[in-house]
Amino acid sequence: DQQVKQNSPSLSVQEGRISILNCDYTNSMFDYFLWYKKYPAEGPTFLISISSIKDKNEDGRFTVFLNKSAKHLSLHIVPSQPGDSAVYFCAASRFSGGSYIPTFGRGTSLIVHP
Amino acid sequence: SAVISQKPSRDICQRGTSLTIQCQVDSQVTMMFWYRQQPGQSLTLIATANQGSEATYESGFVIDKFPISRPNLTFSTLTVSNMSPEDSSIYLCSVATGRKGSGELFFGEGSRLTVL
Repeated sequence: DQQVKQNSPSLSVQEGRISILNCDYTNSMFDYFLWYKKYPAEGPTFLISISSIKDKNEDGRFTVFLNKSAKHLSLHIVPSQPGDSAVYFCAASRFSGGSYIPTFGRGTSLIVHP
Repeated sequence: SAVISQKPSRDICQRGTSLTIQCQVDSQVTMMFWYRQQPGQSLTLIATANQGSEATYESGFVIDKFPISRPNLTFSTLTVSNMSPEDSSIYLCSVATGRKGSGELFFGEGSRLTVL
């Protein structure tokens, strides 16, 4: 049973427009929510995170919104650039065994067209 | 930050054989994590490897199938034993960033295994 769900396997956006990637989760015990970006033949790289006690975190062109009542978070990229084309993984973490361990969604492939 | 190197980057293996993946980190870390990404699936945690103790395996993963070594604070290996086509995946080594809380991880570039 997936605890972190990304229901859109792919998203296509025009350069300069906003990209919105969505993620839902089922476990209300998660402490942090994270987004990772993955290019082909590379490992995922951390992009941005948000604590469960906040509803928004912004870092440059990237903003993550958290709606705890709906168990939903989203990543906004404004403006989108062709270099943003990658697979984006949503993750949620909780403290276990001495460390925060993230649980990942299946990813959304973002394509930004020039 | 941490730089993580994995070997091999990719391999094609025969059914029934075993393969060992190496993970080298450029700094000392307490915990190392091994993930698997099957085609079209999420990154799934296989086990957490602490130096000097047995690895802790997640539900659905067992030591006989995925033995892990952690001989020091910068190195770990994951063996995929008695491989079948269902083991065809990308295997990823990762470490925590050191930033307290959150679960941010550094990942290696992954080892793509194809089992025929």
